[in-house]
Amino acid sequence: DIQMTQSPSSLSASVGDRVTITCRASQSISSYLNWYQQKPGKAPKLLIYAASNLQSGVPSRFSGSGSGTDFTLTISSLQPEDFAPYYCQQTYTSPYTFGQGTKLEIK
Amino acid sequence: EVQLVESGGGLVQPGGSLRLSCAASGFTFSSYWMHWVRQAPGKGLVWVSHINSDGRSTNYADSVKGRFTISRDNAKNTLYLQMNSLRAEDTAVYYCARHWDYGESFDLWGRGTLVTVSS
Repeated sequence: DIQMTQSPSSLSASVGDRVTITCRASQSISSYLNWYQQKPGKAPKLLIYAASNLQSGVPSRFSGSGSGTDFTLTISSLQPEDFAPYYCQQTYTSPYTFGQGTKLEIK
Repeated sequence: EVQLVESGGGLVQPGGSLRLSCAASGFTFSSYWMHWVRQAPGKGLVWVSHINSDGRSTNYADSVKGRFTISRDNAKNTLYLQMNSLRAEDTAVYYCARHWDYGESFDLWGRGTLVTVSS
């Protein structure tokens, strides 16, 4: 199985900050990497698909990059509604593993 | 409205069984692969199983293989997860999710149904 490792596991930041979350795959997954946001008590929401493509309706302050084994999610200017856990996921091959999550908290 | 709605969760004793359902509406259900993903309390997301559009191909996480069965009824626009021999570690919110071919991602999720395995 492909292991997905996110870092950091938690992150404290302020409104307006630029933050970056990293996801590393245990083997190459080309660009089959997605990012999800999950607000408390809600279902995950797709933010970025295929490593760098912004899902429809997602604010442009979110961006993704990377290929192969190393990927990043960047939020250019944090807004109050962005404080939530974030998960990466590979869909290169089954089982479609997720990272352990990064909890983004208000400083 | 395009949506997925899970049902069937509840409290079950270890060794028991439960069948989850996921009702799809607002899109052509029969055209999409579907998945089950679970999340234990306070933990991360874990993929459980998927089924292709016509129901002939399925796959499972090792942790549920041989105990869980995914199926679908395209005439009823419904996805199922039959869970047998349940264990305490199966306690989680179970989400169904739609597989979006173009983006190779899970673009639509239900709100989940809670399964609690406890005596």
